[in-house]
Amino acid sequence: EAQVTQNPRYLITVTGKKLTVTCSQNMNHEYMSWYRQDPGLGLRQIYYSMNVEVTDKGDVPEGYKVSRKEKRNFPLILESPSPNQTSLYFCASSPFTPAGTEAFFGQGTRLTVV
Amino acid sequence: AQTVTQSQPEMSVQEAETVTLSCTYDTSESDYYLFWYKQPPSRQMILVIRQEAYKQQNATENRFSVNFQKAAKSFSLKISDSQLGDAAMYFCAYRTHTTSGTYKYIFGTGTRLKVLA
Repeated sequence: EAQVTQNPRYLITVTGKKLTVTCSQNMNHEYMSWYRQDPGLGLRQIYYSMNVEVTDKGDVPEGYKVSRKEKRNFPLILESPSPNQTSLYFCASSPFTPAGTEAFFGQGTRLTVV
Repeated sequence: AQTVTQSQPEMSVQEAETVTLSCTYDTSESDYYLFWYKQPPSRQMILVIRQEAYKQQNATENRFSVNFQKAAKSFSLKISDSQLGDAAMYFCAYRTHTTSGTYKYIFGTGTRLKVLA
């Protein structure tokens, strides 16, 4: 089954404790991205990657890191989480062609930083 | 910069009735793609419908249809014969091209739809 898999689905952590949210897709998509969803703000892009070893900042990259060492994986790293990073996070993937293909989303990760 | 605006934070509709969710966007591009996503309480993002800007014809998917007005930069979603399972958050999204030759999706702030039995 074609899917984007995120783990974990729920995470509670303390301020400053490094964490990684994993994302994997099995559709051979070139493009992967991370979003955070906050009430009243919709989904905002954190980082995206066009292909292996190619990443770039989205609209809200501060406090986050990513890496793309393999085409299928795109982990999101919070080196020193802070309470303002409490949010719902989504990983998404899509192919370059055919043009206009929608983004396929993971199940979401609810992160709470205390 | 491209923006997507959903001006209705919340809407209600009676079961079996029709409801229209609004979405406007701002862009200088002539070719782009528009989407409506549904997010039920499970949080999963589900594609409802897509529209290609170069196509005049409005997209339809069963009970879901859009009213795409390119000149007005408007992309509303009409849900006919509303069902209880349609209750969800709905996001309008625009797919653009960045200056680096790739593309990104820009989302609106969402409209929460309640369906009343």
